[in-house]
Amino acid sequence: EIVMTQSPATLSVSPGERATLSCRASQSVSSDLAWYQQKPGQAPRLLIYGASTRATGIPARFSGSGSGTEFTLTISSLQSEDFAVYYCQQYNIWPVDFGPGTKVDIK
Amino acid sequence: QVQLVESGGGLVRPGGSLRLSCAASGFTFSDHYMIWIRQAPGKGLEWVSYISSSGSAIYYADSVKDRFTISRDNAKNSLYLQMNSLRAEDTAVYYCARAAVGKNYFDSWGQGTLVTVSS
Repeated sequence: EIVMTQSPATLSVSPGERATLSCRASQSVSSDLAWYQQKPGQAPRLLIYGASTRATGIPARFSGSGSGTEFTLTISSLQSEDFAVYYCQQYNIWPVDFGPGTKVDIK
Repeated sequence: QVQLVESGGGLVRPGGSLRLSCAASGFTFSDHYMIWIRQAPGKGLEWVSYISSSGSAIYYADSVKDRFTISRDNAKNSLYLQMNSLRAEDTAVYYCARAAVGKNYFDSWGQGTLVTVSS
């Protein structure tokens, strides 16, 4: 089983600033990595798949990069609606695994 | 548009049973693998059970194996999770989600249904 880790656990950012979130896999998952956003009281929403492809309707300020074991989600200019918890998920090897999440809150 | 609506959650005593349902609409249900994912209060996401598009392949997390049963009815566009021998640690919001065709990431999620196991 692949273990996913995310850092930092909490990221405090001011609106308009850039946010960089990291995700690491315990072994290579190629580019089979997805990112989800979850706001309080809501279901997760797919942001990125294939490590770098934005899902339908996701704004261009969200970008993903990386391959193998190291991945990054970047939010170029944080908007108020972006404060949320972000999870990464590998889907290269069954069973799928989610990271523990990074909470992005207002500085 | 794609819609997934869960139902069937509630309060149940330890050792009890519940059956969750997920009604799907807005897409060809029989084309997609489906999954149940749960989230305990204040915790992260944990996959529970996964079923292939035809229902011929089924997977369970070790934490629920031999207690939970996943099924689907493609004629009714519905996914189910029969949960038996419930424990306090099964308390969570349960989401059904759709897997992208040919991939194991999840591109649509229901709103979730809360299962509380408590005496």
